[in-house]
Amino acid sequence: DGGITQSPKYLFRKEGQNVTLSCEQNLNHDAMYWYRQDPGQGLRLIYYSQIVNDFQKGDIAEGYSVSREKKESFPLTVTSAQKNPTAFYLCASSLDRRGNQPQHFGDGTRLSIL
Amino acid sequence: AQSVSQHNHHVILSEAASLELGCNYSYGGTVNLFWYVQYPGQHLQLLLKYFSGDPLVKGIKGFEAEFIKSKFSFNLRKPSVQWSDTAEYFCAVKDYGQNFVFGPGTRLSVLP
Repeated sequence: DGGITQSPKYLFRKEGQNVTLSCEQNLNHDAMYWYRQDPGQGLRLIYYSQIVNDFQKGDIAEGYSVSREKKESFPLTVTSAQKNPTAFYLCASSLDRRGNQPQHFGDGTRLSIL
Repeated sequence: AQSVSQHNHHVILSEAASLELGCNYSYGGTVNLFWYVQYPGQHLQLLLKYFSGDPLVKGIKGFEAEFIKSKFSFNLRKPSVQWSDTAEYFCAVKDYGQNFVFGPGTRLSVLP
């Protein structure tokens, strides 16, 4: 079955550490997205990528970095510069690189600070 | 910048009651509109979408939504809810830019 796989499901980070969240899709979608979900705030866009080797900052990119070396993969690194990283992170993809098609979502990764 | 508001943070209904969840957006130009649902422990799924044409759109599981351009609204409705509709519902808008903007979500609890 085609879909989006996020790993790990739960992740714990010590203060000052960088961690990388994995997102893989086998839908052959051009566009991929990373969102952060906090209670009462809905989803906020961190980064998005319309095509391989290209990505753009979203509304809350500070403290995060991404790469898009392959079409199917869009990993997100939460750096030590992100002062409030505890959240639920969702990866999504869309067939249309212009974003004119619905997004498909992964199951998410819950990141907590030790 | 585009913003999306959802009228209710938490809605509690009994089974068979009618449902209407409000969604308003701020950008006045051409938009694509979506409702997503997140069932407990599951990933976000698309309920329905509006791109153009008939402003009354039908989605999965008996849901429908009406786009009213003059009111910048895209309210979600269902005539008779079931316990299995308990979930969190998100309205989303995609405007001229690349960004999808999501509302804060409405949690629906249906009592059996």
